[in-house]
Amino acid sequence: SYEVTQPPSVSVSPGQTASITCSGDKLGDKYAHWYQQKPGQSPVLVIYQNNKRPSGIPERFSGSNSGNTATLTISGTQVMDEADYYCQAWDSSTAKVVFGGGTNLAVL
Amino acid sequence: QLQLQESGPGLVKPSETLSLTCTVSGGSTSSNGYYWGWIRQPPGKGLEWIGSIFYDGTTYYNPSLKSRVTISLDTSKNQFSLSLSSVTAADTALYYCARSRYFSSGHYSDYWGQGTLVTVSS
Repeated sequence: SYEVTQPPSVSVSPGQTASITCSGDKLGDKYAHWYQQKPGQSPVLVIYQNNKRPSGIPERFSGSNSGNTATLTISGTQVMDEADYYCQAWDSSTAKVVFGGGTNLAVL
Repeated sequence: QLQLQESGPGLVKPSETLSLTCTVSGGSTSSNGYYWGWIRQPPGKGLEWIGSIFYDGTTYYNPSLKSRVTISLDTSKNQFSLSLSSVTAADTALYYCARSRYFSSGHYSDYWGQGTLVTVSS
């Protein structure tokens, strides 16, 4: 079955750029979506359809998807961005929503 | 503003059936173009999609859970429900309901409930 893989953790200094990757076979042929989850809270959609930001999501969040890798980029990372981030795709062959294992972003 | 609220027992015995309901306010479950779904998260672990139901009643289930899962929609009550049979300790998780926007190449969840913890234990 289709799977997407994320690094378990990423660290970044405040003000720097954080990049979180999501890898899967020909993922670039699909759409990738990204969710942010802070401790004790429900996930929040931060990027949909590879590179679109929902209303209310800061411009420092951006996304791209090409080849086998989708990337969530956070420019000028702030301490408030510390969270777990999950990528999600749709496997049309099995009609299944697929989540990555999640990446813990540490801002320190 | 759309809101979703999960409800149901917080404790279920092994081999029994887990039943949860999601009540939607601020929007209609009969609106065209939306899926209504369930996602779970075991303590300290990642997200797992359980399944979704389209506004017209079409369902999609995670193949790994398909034999045990039923999702139904009650548009008259603006609710949708999850039934998971023959539960084990491995089904202990925080269960979220969510609305998903449908497009030609899949869907993504733009509104989530706060989640409800279900523990499977005797």
